[in-house]
Amino acid sequence: AQSVTQLDSQVPVFEEAPVELRCNYSSSVSVYLFWYVQYPNQGLQLLLKYLSGSTLVKGINGFEAEFNKSQTSFHLRKPSVHISDTAEYFCAVSDRGSNYKLTFGKGTLLTVNP
Amino acid sequence: DAGVTQSPTHLIKTRGQQVTLRCSPISGHKSVSWYQQVLGQGPQFIFQYYEKEERGRGNFPDRFSARQFPNYSSELNVNALLLGDSALYLCASSFELSTGELFFGEGSRLTVL
Repeated sequence: AQSVTQLDSQVPVFEEAPVELRCNYSSSVSVYLFWYVQYPNQGLQLLLKYLSGSTLVKGINGFEAEFNKSQTSFHLRKPSVHISDTAEYFCAVSDRGSNYKLTFGKGTLLTVNP
Repeated sequence: DAGVTQSPTHLIKTRGQQVTLRCSPISGHKSVSWYQQVLGQGPQFIFQYYEKEERGRGNFPDRFSARQFPNYSSELNVNALLLGDSALYLCASSFELSTGELFFGEGSRLTVL
């Protein structure tokens, strides 16, 4: 069975500082990995995805993530955050064995302070 | 192009009542999935439909049911509502079942009193 662990429930940072949101997963088969962002009172928006190929994937709004198979991690990074990046971020995993249903982590609340 | 649309956006019910939530997928998408998001938690998988057939069901009681129509829209029904059913119900669509990349709607926020 799949599982996703987001190691930090809250991450406060100052504007223009770099940030890393950590995600570890467990799965017995090859996986696909995703980061979604949820702004207050809204649905989820896809930030980026790893399906295959290069382990460094770039997404929208300047975010990127690196797939590390040996460490079963998929950490999200941004070199310089803005106030508008304040939101909840969810890491998710899917695989063929689960018919590609998404299993989400509990989320990390990123708060960017001026 | 329109994204995934859900209705109603907000609703309040009392314990024991029944609720129906509706979802229209992105045009051309054949799969619809439903997720429950309790406050402060990540979304939990409820159902997955593809070409009008149920392809997956999460760990939810039989009070939860769903269906997908020929036009690929979907309904989620919850009977005998409990206080713990209060949550944001998210519908997501995808063209096929190939990777798990989903496009989400804004959700229906259900409050059970």
